[in-house]
Amino acid sequence: GIQVEQSPPDLILQEGANSTLRCNFSDSVNNLQWFHQNPWGQLINLFYIPSGTKQNGRLSATTVATERYSLLYISSSQTTDSGVYFCAGRLRAGNMLTFGGGTRLMVKP
Amino acid sequence: DAGITQSPRYKITETGRQVTLMCHQTWSHSYMFWYRQDLGHGLRLIYYSAAADITDKGEVPDGYVVSRSKTENFPLTLESATRSQTSVYFCASSEVNYGYTFGSGTRLTVV
Repeated sequence: GIQVEQSPPDLILQEGANSTLRCNFSDSVNNLQWFHQNPWGQLINLFYIPSGTKQNGRLSATTVATERYSLLYISSSQTTDSGVYFCAGRLRAGNMLTFGGGTRLMVKP
Repeated sequence: DAGITQSPRYKITETGRQVTLMCHQTWSHSYMFWYRQDLGHGLRLIYYSAAADITDKGEVPDGYVVSRSKTENFPLTLESATRSQTSVYFCASSEVNYGYTFGSGTRLTVV
């Protein structure tokens, strides 16, 4: 089946720093999405980004579907950005997502 | 309230008991999903539904039963709970080619 690999697995930042999280897919992917799981366990959808670039405040995401990867950019990181970031892509027809293993981010004040 | 709600938030049950986790969404999304999240395994799909009365297995369906008689509800039943089913369960809903929205999760402990 499709493999979803995220890097880095862990990341520690000082508040105010920028970072780039990467998601690689082993095969063609549709419906690519990025999620943030906060320290209380809530999963929040950040971006639905099958292709191209989107921005939402300090976050932006780019998907290059033809090269099977997506990037999540976090600028001017804040302690509230801490948590785990997941990317996910559609495995096959039917709208079900396969999730990567996540990037655990800690932002220190 | 609009959104997707799961109940209960926490549940402790004994091995062998039947337990049902509830999921309700107010958007009339076609698709609904159940995932479980475990350390070392990430998020894995248990079952999904494309519409009322249409359900299908995901990656880890054994030991679980679902139904979807109404578009807004998608309960997940553990027919005879086992310790290996101790996990955090997330329900999600979506329309085709739109992002998923997750519920707050149910933390289930089987003792």
